[in-house]
Amino acid sequence: DTAVSQTPKYLVTQMGNDKSIKCEQNLGHDTMYWYKQDSKKFLKIMFSYNNKELIINETVPNRFSPKSPDKAHLNLHINSLELGDSAVYFCASSRKRSDNSPLHFGNGTRLTVT
Amino acid sequence: AQRVTQPEKLLSVFKGAPVELKCNYSYSGSPELFWYVQYSRQRLQLLLRHISRESIKGFTADLNKGETSFHLKKPFAQEEDSAMYYCALRGSNAGGTSYGKLTFGQGTILTVHP
Repeated sequence: DTAVSQTPKYLVTQMGNDKSIKCEQNLGHDTMYWYKQDSKKFLKIMFSYNNKELIINETVPNRFSPKSPDKAHLNLHINSLELGDSAVYFCASSRKRSDNSPLHFGNGTRLTVT
Repeated sequence: AQRVTQPEKLLSVFKGAPVELKCNYSYSGSPELFWYVQYSRQRLQLLLRHISRESIKGFTADLNKGETSFHLKKPFAQEEDSAMYYCALRGSNAGGTSYGKLTFGQGTILTVHP
């Protein structure tokens, strides 16, 4: 099944822990993204990678570190989790950064920090 | 800076009634506008984009550069249209090359009652 897949779907953890969310796309896209959807459903971009190169890094705490081992994968590692990190994190990909191709989203990872 | 505003957080209509989801944007360059939809328990997916000038599931949206708007319309709403709708903007330069980043509005939850 061709898609953007992210794991895990749900993640419940305690403050101070370190956790990772994985994302893979088999669409052959060059560009991948991480978005955060907060409790008010507001979607905001965090990072974007184009062919393993970081091209967008919004105002995100240093505790968040994306890693792209190849252009089909973009993982998100979060250190020292805080309560405010609770949100749904969406991975997405698009064909190229420079064209008008739409974004394809994963199902999201609901992170709950207690 | 890119900004997208969806003034209505919630919108309720009855089946068969016309529906309009408002979207206004702010961008000094040449924008690409999109509507994304998230049905219950499904991933966020592209509904339509202004460059395609298409009608999807009976929905249309016209880019009005004078009013900086990209409202989504459907003449006869159906119950299956109930979902969260996001308006999104991607900036590009004068040559039409996209900058990649997609900025979302706050989202509008549409509920269509029987």
